[in-house]
Amino acid sequence: GAVVSQHPSWVICKSGTSVKIECRSLDFQATTMFWYRQFPKQSLMLMATSNEGSKATYEQGVEKDKFLINHASLTLSTLTVTSAHPEDSSFYICSARTVVLNEKLFFGSGTQLSVL
Amino acid sequence: GQSLEQPSEVTAVEGAIVQINCTYQTSGFYGLSWYQQHDGGAPTFLSYNALDGLEETGRFSSFLSRSDSYGYLLLQELQMKDSASYFCAPWRDDKIIFGKGTRLHILP
Repeated sequence: GAVVSQHPSWVICKSGTSVKIECRSLDFQATTMFWYRQFPKQSLMLMATSNEGSKATYEQGVEKDKFLINHASLTLSTLTVTSAHPEDSSFYICSARTVVLNEKLFFGSGTQLSVL
Repeated sequence: GQSLEQPSEVTAVEGAIVQINCTYQTSGFYGLSWYQQHDGGAPTFLSYNALDGLEETGRFSSFLSRSDSYGYLLLQELQMKDSASYFCAPWRDDKIIFGKGTRLHILP
């Protein structure tokens, strides 16, 4: 089956630093990747949609200068949390959409970000 | 406006059947997905309904009524490993929105 690799799985950083999270589709080409944020025991909140070679589309209320998304190839999307602060601490998770199984999303294992 | 409703928690007994309902109101709707997520894990795809009716995949079935903006996930022969959160997730405008999820507790 399709595999999505997300790294790192957890990261602790100091306030004010930037953190980059990678999401790779290992055995398929992802036409679209979605980035979500999830708080404990809550739903996945869609942050942005990224398509290869174009600018990401951010959901209302998500700061695009804060959460930089790059989708440079059909197998890689990155989310950079710039100048992270404690309120950015959360579980970030990506998902990928294929051409063939269009409505079936494959998720990465998530990244737990803790900002001190 | 847009809304998505599903029960926050459901409890059932091992071996039994449980149904998790979902009602939605969203523009641009074209299909309903269901995902399972264990604590600390990634969501995994369970089913997708684009048309009205029942879709069956092993112990899991999903139903959609577009006219009623309603769907449900049916889990049969419950096993302890089915203890997880289940998310109703409609597709609209080429993206998927997750509901708040239903936490399923299975009693032995």
